[in-house]
Amino acid sequence: EPEVTQTPSHQVTQMGQEVILRCVPISNHLYFYWYRQILGQKVEFLVSFYNNEISEKSEIFDDQFSVERPDGSNFTLKIRSTKLEDSAMYFCASSVHRVMNTEAFFGQGTRLTVV
Amino acid sequence: AQKITQTQPGMFVQEKEAVTLDCTYDTSDPSYGLFWYKQPSSGEMIFLIYQGSYDQQNATEGRYSLNFQKARKSANLVISASQLGDSAMYFCAMREGGQFYFGTGTSLTVIP
Repeated sequence: EPEVTQTPSHQVTQMGQEVILRCVPISNHLYFYWYRQILGQKVEFLVSFYNNEISEKSEIFDDQFSVERPDGSNFTLKIRSTKLEDSAMYFCASSVHRVMNTEAFFGQGTRLTVV
Repeated sequence: AQKITQTQPGMFVQEKEAVTLDCTYDTSDPSYGLFWYKQPSSGEMIFLIYQGSYDQQNATEGRYSLNFQKARKSANLVISASQLGDSAMYFCAMREGGQFYFGTGTSLTVIP
């Protein structure tokens, strides 16, 4: 069964360093998303991406964050200068359409620890 | 106002019994989707079931069913014949526009 894959599963980085989280969405999906979940808290939307541009973003997604689809398969989230409060589980998701009646499938997540 | 409200931070159920996890939502958009995800201790998010706002019938997927009451804006998840492996966090989510809104989750513990 097709699935969204994320790498790495766990990343430890020093405060102030840049990190890139990678995702390979399901191949026929057109919409891509990043979410984060701070430990013990609810899942928060960061950004959605379609047709090589950001479709929507939340207030969390500030200038420190950027997303890219560098080739036909990968979808990346870059955090330019990490802060301690960026420590969270980051989930990538993809869906076939933006319309309501489609499932979004999540990857297994990347646990980011900023020290 | 919260888009998704899950009022049960923790629930217990006896193995083989059914359990209902509550979810209410808030939207003025007539077109939306409702989802339930399971998050085991390993952390990944597993899609369980989907209900569209225009669907006439309640969604079912194996042991999972969604009790959709549109007028009450509720989308409760029913797990029948609970198994030990069902112990996890369960998140209700709503898709409105291009965004997903998640509830705070319910921790379900299945007791042998």
